[in-house]
Amino acid sequence: SQELEQSPQSLIVQEGKNLTINCTSSKTLYGLYWYKQKYGEGLIFLMMLQKGGEEKSHEKITAKLDEKKQQSSLHITASQPSHAGIYLCGADSGGSNYKLTFGKGTLLTVNP
Amino acid sequence: GAGVSQSPSNKVTEKGKDVELRCDPISGHTALYWYRQSLGQGLEFLIYFQGNSAPDKSGLPSDRFSAERTGGSVSTLTIQRTQQEDSAVYLCASSPRGLAGDEQFFGPGTRLTVL
Repeated sequence: SQELEQSPQSLIVQEGKNLTINCTSSKTLYGLYWYKQKYGEGLIFLMMLQKGGEEKSHEKITAKLDEKKQQSSLHITASQPSHAGIYLCGADSGGSNYKLTFGKGTLLTVNP
Repeated sequence: GAGVSQSPSNKVTEKGKDVELRCDPISGHTALYWYRQSLGQGLEFLIYFQGNSAPDKSGLPSDRFSAERTGGSVSTLTIQRTQQEDSAVYLCASSPRGLAGDEQFFGPGTRLTVL
């Protein structure tokens, strides 16, 4: 079965700083999803990557999928307190494997 | 355009009792998923419904867990004879077609505490 490892497990940054969260898969990724979760809330979809080398951006968040499709990174530029939360990467294995396997998440704290 | 809704938002029960958790998916979404999120385990897949097909129950942790989806819409996850290790946040998601690559839209979850 596919396993996703996220790093770091937790991260504390000062407002305005840049940061990167990594997600590494034990198998080739077909679809890689990034979600954000705030305590007591559901998951908010951020971005999905499918092609090797693909990069997507939304506001100050950029996600990349490496050429080998086994690692993704999420980069936040000029972090704000509103970016705080748990970031989860999820993956499907393609084809009829519609289930998502998730990493254990990265807890981000942004200090004002 | 309401999102996925779940009820109750919080449930506290005693060990050994049965509980039912409800999920209302986004209208028109054919696929519905249940996941469980617990400390130290992350988010785990439980069960998947797609249209009228037989559900994929491969993620259910024991036979105390069951789920139904009536009329292709609302789903109920039932846990019988609850145990303390069942304490977790139960998340429901729906997607338009249930295909790999489809975005899954998540509800806010039900936080279950078994005393």
